[in-house]
Amino acid sequence: EIVLTQSPATLSLSPGERATLSCRASQSVSSYLAWYQQKPGQAPRLLIYDASNRATGIPARFSGSGSGTDFTLTISSLQSEDFAVYYCQQRSNWPSFGPGTKVDIK
Amino acid sequence: EVQLVESGGGLVKPGGSLRLSCAASGFTFSSYSMNWVRQAPGKGLEWVSSISSSSSYIYYADSVKGRFTISRDNAKNSLYLQMNSLRAEDTAVYYCAREGSGIDYWGQGTLVTVSS
Repeated sequence: EIVLTQSPATLSLSPGERATLSCRASQSVSSYLAWYQQKPGQAPRLLIYDASNRATGIPARFSGSGSGTDFTLTISSLQSEDFAVYYCQQRSNWPSFGPGTKVDIK
Repeated sequence: EVQLVESGGGLVKPGGSLRLSCAASGFTFSSYSMNWVRQAPGKGLEWVSSISSSSSYIYYADSVKGRFTISRDNAKNSLYLQMNSLRAEDTAVYYCAREGSGIDYWGQGTLVTVSS
């Protein structure tokens, strides 16, 4: 089983600031890593797939990077609607999710 | 427009059974693998099960293996999850989700509560 860890658990930032979220896998997942955003009471939304590809309709301020075991989601300039929980997910073998990073307003 | 609509959730006693359904529309259902993903109250996401487009490949999380059964009916554009021997720790919102490039579409979820 591939275990994903995310850091930090909580990120407190102001609108307009840059957010950098980390996801680390217990073994290589190649580029089979996705990122999701979830707001309270809503289903998750796919942001990034295969480590660096933005999903349909996702703004350019969201970008993903990394391969192997270390991945990063960057939000270049936080907008009010970006304060949410972010999960990484691997599909190298049985799918698994990281525990999430909450991005809240400072 | 892609739509995934779950149904069948509710309150069930420990040891009981429940069958979840997911009605898909707006895409060629028979061409996609599908997933069930759950989220316990206040917790993170947990993958539960996956089924390939033709049902040839089926996978389960260890936490549900032997108790849950995933299936699909491509003629009815429907996905199912039969849940037996339910436990308190199965309490969660269960999402039906399409496997595209990533899990690209999600339903709104159905709540399953296991309690006496």
